[in-house]
Amino acid sequence: DAEITQSPRHKITETGRQVTLACHQTWNHNNMFWYRQDLGHGLRLIHYSYGVQDTNKGEVSDGYSVSRSNTEDLPLTLESAASSQTSVYFCASSEMTGLSGELFFGEGSRLTVL
Amino acid sequence: AQSVTQLDSQVPVFEEAPVELRCNYSSSVSVYLFWYVQYPNQGLQLLLKYLSGSTLVKGINGFEAEFNKSQTSFHLRKPSVHISDTAEYFCAPQGAYNNNDMRFGAGTRLTVKP
Repeated sequence: DAEITQSPRHKITETGRQVTLACHQTWNHNNMFWYRQDLGHGLRLIHYSYGVQDTNKGEVSDGYSVSRSNTEDLPLTLESAASSQTSVYFCASSEMTGLSGELFFGEGSRLTVL
Repeated sequence: AQSVTQLDSQVPVFEEAPVELRCNYSSSVSVYLFWYVQYPNQGLQLLLKYLSGSTLVKGINGFEAEFNKSQTSFHLRKPSVHISDTAEYFCAPQGAYNNNDMRFGAGTRLTVKP
């Protein structure tokens, strides 16, 4: 079965360190998204990509970057981790052709920045 | 971009009771509407969606929602809940012409008690 996997599932790091969260999907979807989930805020869009070599900023992109070198992967990098980036991060993907927009989510990566 | 308000952050109910989770959105353009469910320590999964046509939409696990354009609402209902319905529920409107423009509500935590 097709799936979307995130790693690591749990990560503890220190302020100022660079962190990369991996996202890999086997749906062959063109669209991929990164969200962060914080209590009281629901999910907020960090970055998204509509295909290889395409990346776009979402509503909370400061301090984050992504790259899309192939269809399957969209790694999220925190250049210099801050305590405000402690959160649960979700990767998602969707088909490009349909406008239904249904998202398929990974199980999340819980990041703690000390 | 549209905004979304989930009117209840927590909804406790007893098993076999009916439940309604409320969602209001604001948008000046046509929208698609989604409800996602998040079980503990998991990613989100689609519960149901409204794209067009009948305003009453049926989803998985006996849930349904009604699109009310005049009130810009998309409330989620279930006539009889089970313990296994305990989860976080997210309403998500999406602009009909913009795949990335899906905004999530802050979520409603449904707790079903025996």
